[in-house]
Amino acid sequence: DADVTQTPRNRITKTGKRIMLECSQTKGHDRMYWYRQDPGLGLRLIYYSFDVKDINKGEISDGYSVSRQAQAKFSLSLESAIPNQTALYFCATSDLSRSEQFFGPGTRLTVL
Amino acid sequence: GQQVMQIPQYQHVQEGEDFTTYCNSSTTLSNIQWYKQRPGGHPVFLIQLVKSGEVKKQKRLTFQFGEAKKNSSLHITATQTTDVGTYFCAGPSSGTYKYIFGTGTRLKVLA
Repeated sequence: DADVTQTPRNRITKTGKRIMLECSQTKGHDRMYWYRQDPGLGLRLIYYSFDVKDINKGEISDGYSVSRQAQAKFSLSLESAIPNQTALYFCATSDLSRSEQFFGPGTRLTVL
Repeated sequence: GQQVMQIPQYQHVQEGEDFTTYCNSSTTLSNIQWYKQRPGGHPVFLIQLVKSGEVKKQKRLTFQFGEAKKNSSLHITATQTTDVGTYFCAGPSSGTYKYIFGTGTRLKVLA
């Protein structure tokens, strides 16, 4: 969905490097989410935010941090990347009245 | 913690055959959502079911929510190559607005 954008789309980095993945949305939604996808494991929630002042840990937050800079922007950081953080990362949004989520195109991250 | 499981993990069918994926939650759900992810793409919302025993149809797709609101199914009649992808169910975590996604069923349709 073009209304939710993620940058970069692909990234290769080395163990120990700090990485930031960015998500922007023009849908005007308050709720934003970060997921990682691994083969056979589905989508697992890393962090979620229901408004600018609200940040919550998901199922697998260890090794990650987030920043909600504005209603439209939600960034995910890996302070010191490790190989098992190699995955496909998705940002998603939803609004207060409807819970369906709109996903960005994803960022494929490889940690060597 | 709450778990949402899907079976099968993979399914290969001949074009024209039917396909069903099943979703089971460890807890009762207030609603359940289904998403489709095409190869190389991102998940796209298909539908949400809310009522016990609810059945909804979208063309060749039939979605059911179990009477106990702990399980759901997606049935595709006469599959087409355009049905290829991974289908996920998702249910809200108890008392929150965050959703727990199932492990997904990857469908391949052989022409």
